[in-house]
Order: sequence, then structure tokens, then C-alpha cells
Amino acid sequence: ETGVTQSPTHLIKTRGQQVTLRCSSQSGHNTVSWYQQALGQGPQFIFQYYREEENGRGNFPPRFSGLQFPNYSSELNVNALELDDSALYLCASSLNTANTGELFFGEGSRLTVL
Amino acid sequence: QKEVEQDPGPLSVPEGAIVSLNCTYSNSAFQYFMWYRQYSRKGPELLMYTYSSGNKEDGRFTAQVDKSSKYISLFIRDSQPSDSATYLCAMRGGNQFYFGTGTSLTVIP
Repeated sequence: ETGVTQSPTHLIKTRGQQVTLRCSSQSGHNTVSWYQQALGQGPQFIFQYYREEENGRGNFPPRFSGLQFPNYSSELNVNALELDDSALYLCASSLNTANTGELFFGEGSRLTVL
Repeated sequence: QKEVEQDPGPLSVPEGAIVSLNCTYSNSAFQYFMWYRQYSRKGPELLMYTYSSGNKEDGRFTAQVDKSSKYISLFIRDSQPSDSATYLCAMRGGNQFYFGTGTSLTVIP
């Protein structure tokens, strides 16, 4: 069974640039969610995708957008980067059923905005 | 008020000690309760998952949920240096998971 994989692991951008982060979900999982984890903080929910549709969004501005593909992999796009966007971006996959609540995380993509 | 409150620590204990980690929450609609362990510069790893009030045991770990008090706990028995990590509580409300800030634990050999 393949776990959640994310790329790139580290990247550095400058203010105003755009970034795309990628995630492959765990085998058999049809739901992907993205979280932002600032240093010393817990993960904050950005949004969730189920069967290629966004079906939940946290308190993040529209410059944070995403996609889910037919194979359930996903992308997180952030436009007009700001210094405060520097964080660990975590992708998590799950089975979107009513009987389970587990999230399985990847190792994260560490973004630094200068 | 934050949805989930967790004491960030840091917590330092000697090897073999019993560790108690706690979170409180404000939303009575939360139904699923989880504990994650996160090593430095890694993604969180699911440790324990419970649905209802009561206790759930898995090896040296016991998760406890008290919905009436909106309070959850994780107990670690016979703590080991390899348990040194940040422990995050999490709760599910709808499609969203709400995390605590994490408690940093160091187990000293």
C-alpha cells in the first residue's frame, strides 16, 4: 500500500510569485485535503476535494486554490505569495465515509517566501 | 475562542514516566477525536482514533474522551525516548478537522 506523497519537499519563492504543490493520495482513498502548518502551530484546514469537487473550505482567501484529478491526486496553488504564506503545507487523504474520521498525512512541502 | 485548546508545553519527563496530554474543545458537534504524533520536520502520524466518550487502549497508549466536559486526553505509559515528539489532538466537524497547537514532549533517558 502506497502512502501519501508530496512534492516538492522544500521550495523558496519571493513575494508576489505563484506556487504549485502536488500530492498523490494513499491507494484506495478518494478524498484529499490540504492543511497549512505555521511554525509552532497546529495544521489549519485549507480545503478538501472529493471526486474532483471542492466540498469544504477553511478561512483562506481565494488566492489559495486547488484541483483534484481523476486518479485522486491533487494540487494546491497559491497566487500572489505573501511572507505569511511561509509554512509547511500538508496533504492528507482519507475515505470519505460516515464511519471513519482518520486522515493520513504526507511529509509536507515546506514553503519559504522571501 | 479557539475551537480546540491545547497546552503547547514543552513537557519534559524521565524515561518510564506516565505522560498525560490534554485538549479542550468548544463545539459540541464534534464526534471524532484523534491524536497525532509529529516528529520534527515530518507529517503528522495517526496514533489513536475514537468516536464516542470513554477509553480506548492501544499498547502503551490510552485515549480518553469526555464529551460532557468537552475534554480529551492521551496517556502514555512507560514513556520511551522514542516518544519524544509533538502530539496534536484533532477533532472532526463535518468535512473539516480542527487541530490543537500541539504539545512538545521530551522523554529523557
